[in-house]
Order: sequence, then structure tokens, then C-alpha cells
Amino acid sequence: GAVVSQHPSWVICKSGTSVKIECRSLDFQATTMFWYRQFPKQSLMLMATSNEGSKATYEQGVEKDKFLINHASLTLSTLTVTSAHPEDSSFYICSAQTSGRSTYNEQFFGPGTRLTVL
Amino acid sequence: GQQVMQIPQYQHVQEGEDFTTYCNSSTTLSNIQWYKQRPGGHPVFLIQLVKSGEVKKQKRLTFQFGEAKKNSSLHITATQTTDVGTYFCAGQKAAGNKLTFGGGTRVLVKP
Repeated sequence: GAVVSQHPSWVICKSGTSVKIECRSLDFQATTMFWYRQFPKQSLMLMATSNEGSKATYEQGVEKDKFLINHASLTLSTLTVTSAHPEDSSFYICSAQTSGRSTYNEQFFGPGTRLTVL
Repeated sequence: GQQVMQIPQYQHVQEGEDFTTYCNSSTTLSNIQWYKQRPGGHPVFLIQLVKSGEVKKQKRLTFQFGEAKKNSSLHITATQTTDVGTYFCAGQKAAGNKLTFGGGTRVLVKP
């Protein structure tokens, strides 16, 4: 099946620092990648949609200057949390979608990155 | 905006029993997808329903898409401990568009 990796799997940082999270599709080219945020025992909240080579589309209420998304290639998207604060602590999950991979247009999820801001 | 709601939020099931989780969208959907997230894990795709009234089965799991393409259900028979996890439905208004996830049903199985 299609595999999506995320790095790092967990990170602890000090308040005010920036953290970069990488999302890679390992065995397929992802036309679209999505970034979600998930709080404990809650659902996935879509933050933004990114297409290779173009600017990300952010959901309402998500600050684009705080959550910088770069989709540099068909296999890599990055999310940078700038000037992180404790309220940014969460589980960040990326997913990738590709056309023609299967009958369905499902999303393949990465394992997630747990961010803790002290 | 589009909203997807799931009930129940929690489901405690005795091993061997059946249960159903329901998903309702505020808008008509192009398709609905179901995902399972094990504790500590990430969502894994289970199925996609596209046609009005569609029913699909995967072993002990039966998925149904409503006639109006606004609701869906997942029925699990003879629940096993391996069924533990959170089941999310996710709706798409148009194929290839973003997914809107429901709140999930957290399933706990009592042996």
C-alpha cells in the first residue's frame, strides 16, 4: 500500500522557537497533501491543503503566517510552526492523496508528530 | 460550512455483540469514507461509498450510504477485541476535495 512518513515523530521545544515537520510520500507521488491537527480524544481538524508548486489553502481560523506550509515536490510537504507557544502543543498529522493510485480517492495518513511546547 | 456528526461518541461493547455507529452530514455528499484509528495510531482507510443507497461489506463490517447521500452507517457484528479504536466517517462534497471528518466513535470492547 501507499506509505506516508512523518519526521520527527515527536518533538519538545521551548516557547518562542520554530519547529519544522516533514511529510513524505515514500512510494507514490502525492498530488495533494493535507495537514491536520488532532487534540486528545478528538477528531481531526483540517488545517490546510497543499498542492505541489502552489500556495497552500488554509482553513478558516488557521493563521497562515504561524503555520507555514511548503510543498516543494510531489513527495514532500513541510509544516513549520513559527514562534510556538504551549497552546500549539498537539498531534499534527499529514495525509497524501494521489490520482490513479487506486479506485478510491482516499487519503493516506502519516504516523503523526506529537509537538509539546514548554 | 459543512458539518459531519457521528453518534454515539463512545461505544462500550461486550465481545461477541453487534453495534452500529451513525454518521450524518449537513450537506449532500459526493462520497463518504470511513477510517479507523487505533489508540496511539493514525487513521487508516477502510472503505469509500459513492452511490446512493450503496452497501458494502468487509468481513464483519457492513457500511451503508443513505439514499439522500447525507448519512451513513457502520455496523460491526460479533465484535472482537481487535475492533478497539476510533471509527471516523469523513465526507467529501466533490471528488478530490477536502475531507470533513466526523467526531468519531470510540469503541471499547469488554472481553
